[in-house]
Amino acid sequence: AQKVTQAQTEISVVEKEDVTLDCVYETRDTTYYLFWYKQPPSGELVFLIRRNSFDEQNEISGRYSWNFQKSTSSFNFTITASQVVDSAVYFCALSEGGGSEKLVFGKGTKLTVNP
Amino acid sequence: GAGVSQTPSNKVTEKGKYVELRCDPISGHTALYWYRQSLGQGPEFLIYFQGTGAADDSGLPNDRFFAVRPEGSVSTLKIQRTERGDSAVYLCASSPPRQAHYEQYFGPGTRLTVT
Repeated sequence: AQKVTQAQTEISVVEKEDVTLDCVYETRDTTYYLFWYKQPPSGELVFLIRRNSFDEQNEISGRYSWNFQKSTSSFNFTITASQVVDSAVYFCALSEGGGSEKLVFGKGTKLTVNP
Repeated sequence: GAGVSQTPSNKVTEKGKYVELRCDPISGHTALYWYRQSLGQGPEFLIYFQGTGAADDSGLPNDRFFAVRPEGSVSTLKIQRTERGDSAVYLCASSPPRQAHYEQYFGPGTRLTVT
């Protein structure tokens, strides 16, 4: 069965600090896809990144970076020099390769960036 | 272009009543998904359509829940004999016919309150 664990329920940082959001996943499939979504206070989920299980290269997009490690089944997300606008709930999600394209989400990490 | 739209944005109903929630996906998107998000939780998968047919309905909690997509575009989620435990935000998402496990674009959700 597939499962996503985001152990950090809430994180609070001061602006310009770096912050890492943890994500650990479980799956029996060898082909799978990992996602991060942002849910700002307005409520609408915003896609951030998609990785497949065969691509372990880390990725950087501006202040955002992702570290995918199959050995530890983790897909962590780091925000560098955080800003108040980064305040949101962040969800990690998993989709297994065979058949259904449903997403299994973690419970989310609420990030608050204080000025 | 227009994103995923959902109507109504809010619905309050009495226990035992029937409700319909509507989702308009992004034009041209063949895949459509319904999720349910309870307070403080990640979205939970309900059903996935590929075209007009339900490709995976394993997330529907019981036979009070039903969804249709008769013309492969708009979808309606139907809940019979509503219960207080059905109160949640119901999210719809769609994705384009390019490749499997592509990013899902989410709508703003319908907040359902059962009194």
